[in-house]
Amino acid sequence: DAGITQSPRYKITETGRQVTLMCHQTWSHSYMFWYRQDLGHGLRLIYYSAAADITDKGEVPDGYVVSRSKTENFPLTLESATRSQTSVYFCASSEALPTAGQLNEKLFFGSGTQLSVL
Amino acid sequence: GQSLEQPSEVTAVEGAIVQINCTYQTSGFYGLSWYQQHDGGAPTFLSYNALDGLEETGRFSSFLSRSDSYGYLLLQELQMKDSASYFCAVTISGGYNKLIFGAGTRLAVHP
Repeated sequence: DAGITQSPRYKITETGRQVTLMCHQTWSHSYMFWYRQDLGHGLRLIYYSAAADITDKGEVPDGYVVSRSKTENFPLTLESATRSQTSVYFCASSEALPTAGQLNEKLFFGSGTQLSVL
Repeated sequence: GQSLEQPSEVTAVEGAIVQINCTYQTSGFYGLSWYQQHDGGAPTFLSYNALDGLEETGRFSSFLSRSDSYGYLLLQELQMKDSASYFCAVTISGGYNKLIFGAGTRLAVHP
């Protein structure tokens, strides 16, 4: 089925290890996003991508790396995991974001990855 | 920077009407969105306002006042299944447009 899928669903790792979270979408959406969700902070934007090979930092990019070599994939890598990166990570995609005027924009979210760094 | 303010919790009874407010301070504002998230689930899109006024979709309505940097989500005929967290989010410009979320409002609907 078409959609946006994240893997793994759950991940436990140790501090200092490198971890990669995967995100795959089948809609050929141009925009893709990575958010982390922590109690009291809502959803905070880590990185986003407007198209293949175009990425930009969000609100909390430190400690994370992204790439987008193909439109459908947007992996998120924690280069050296820290306990503060324990969180639920959501990937999302969107066909477009409006530049002006009334456009019915919406983000489609994956099911999330619950990451625990011990 | 950008900031969004919304109440952390709201409680209501089944069948009632509840309004969740959102105020924002941001530059390069394009529009205000609302998302719903049930416990353990992913956020799902509810509505988007780019222009001033009220948008109605079934039991849910969303309002925007650009001059006041303010919007709200109105939920009517509340049902138990409406118990969830509700997030407002702003689309902002700058390089490439992006979507920034508020901290969310937890709505508890009681019988």
